[in-house]
Amino acid sequence: ELKVEQNPLFLSMQEGKNYTIYCNYSTTSDRLYWYRQDPGKSLESLFVLLSNGAVKQEGRLMASLDTKARLSTLHITAAVHDLSATYFCAVGETSGSRLTFGEGTQLTVNP
Amino acid sequence: DTEVTQTPKHLVMGMTNKKSLKCEQHMGHRAMYWYKQKAKKPPELMFVYSYEKLSINESVPSRFSPECPNSSLLNLHLHALQPEDSALYLCASSTRQMNTGELFFGEGSRLTVL
Repeated sequence: ELKVEQNPLFLSMQEGKNYTIYCNYSTTSDRLYWYRQDPGKSLESLFVLLSNGAVKQEGRLMASLDTKARLSTLHITAAVHDLSATYFCAVGETSGSRLTFGEGTQLTVNP
Repeated sequence: DTEVTQTPKHLVMGMTNKKSLKCEQHMGHRAMYWYKQKAKKPPELMFVYSYEKLSINESVPSRFSPECPNSSLLNLHLHALQPEDSALYLCASSTRQMNTGELFFGEGSRLTVL
């Protein structure tokens, strides 16, 4: 059974600081997704990582995937208040159509 | 157009009611999904339809009944629900059942069961 662990689960940071969210998974996969969810809203796709060594950047967020270590990271650079949200990583099974989500990281960026 | 549209956005129902949630996408995606999300928890997969056929049922109670009338529409029929079924119900679609493409989520239907 595929297990996905995110840490930290809660992150409070100051504007302007950098931080990294980690996503570990238990079995082989080459598909990993990062989503953002604002309170009471749906999930917004941030990044799709489909190969070992994949790195994608959008604004202050950068995501990477190391399939050998079964690890993805979401790096936040110079955080701003607008980044406050819950971030989920999700891992696709190698065969099959299930997507297993991590527990989510609730990020709060304080002025 | 990269939208998945869900209706209604909010629904309150009693335990004896019958209601339906609706989902529509016009992206030509052939895989559609229902997820359930409780507060401060990740989404949990309920059903997957691939090419309008039910391909995954994650042991969901029969009081939830999915239906895929055509490639653009997905319904979730609700009957005799329990208060613990109150949650955000998310519809999603993707380009392929095998999830090589990203999931596009609708805004969700927030369900309250009294």
